[in-house]
Amino acid sequence: GAVVSQHPSWVICKSGTSVKIECRSLDFQATTMFWYRQFPKQSLMLMATSNEGSKATYEQGVEKDKFLINHASLTLSTLTVTSAHPEDSSFYICSARFSGVEAFFGQGTRLTVV
Amino acid sequence: AQSVAQPEDQVNVAEGNPLTVKCTYSVSGNPYLFWYVQYPNRGLQFLLKYITGDNLVKGSYGFEAEFNKSQTSFHLKKPSALVSDSALYFCAVRAGGATNKLIFGTGTLLAVQP
Repeated sequence: GAVVSQHPSWVICKSGTSVKIECRSLDFQATTMFWYRQFPKQSLMLMATSNEGSKATYEQGVEKDKFLINHASLTLSTLTVTSAHPEDSSFYICSARFSGVEAFFGQGTRLTVV
Repeated sequence: AQSVAQPEDQVNVAEGNPLTVKCTYSVSGNPYLFWYVQYPNRGLQFLLKYITGDNLVKGSYGFEAEFNKSQTSFHLKKPSALVSDSALYFCAVRAGGATNKLIFGTGTLLAVQP
């Protein structure tokens, strides 16, 4: 299957700082990528759809100014958590689709804000 | 609205016994159905999908799932469980057509005892 790589796998940052998470499709081009957030022992919540060359589409209730998404190339989407606070601590996962209908996921990023 | 239900938070099974993880869905139109597995602090791995055709679909690691339109179910099965199958399993649905979003169930923790 297609490979999606996410970096970093885990990050600890101080309150008030910003953190960037990268999502790369390694062996295919992805015009669309998706960003999810997962709380402990809970399901994945879609945050936004990242579209190459255009603005991301955010789900209701997700602050677009706090979670900045940039999809500047067909193989890279980034999620920047701005002015992070402890409540932003979570597991963030990206996904992309190859030629088929199934999505392939990155390995996730564990963000801890202290 | 699309939705997915996984009625069991946890399924316990002894190694070597058959396992079933339940999933029901609600979607308008023809559903695209998926199963994913997640190991601790990792992203999701694709197991199998149903788009059309044979109601019994086979996937990775010996897993299979049966699509039942009348019961709107897509239960995940495996004839003989392994301890290494212990993980969190997610059922997901996407409506056919241009809709790209995946809707996930709440997840079922599978625990296989040796």
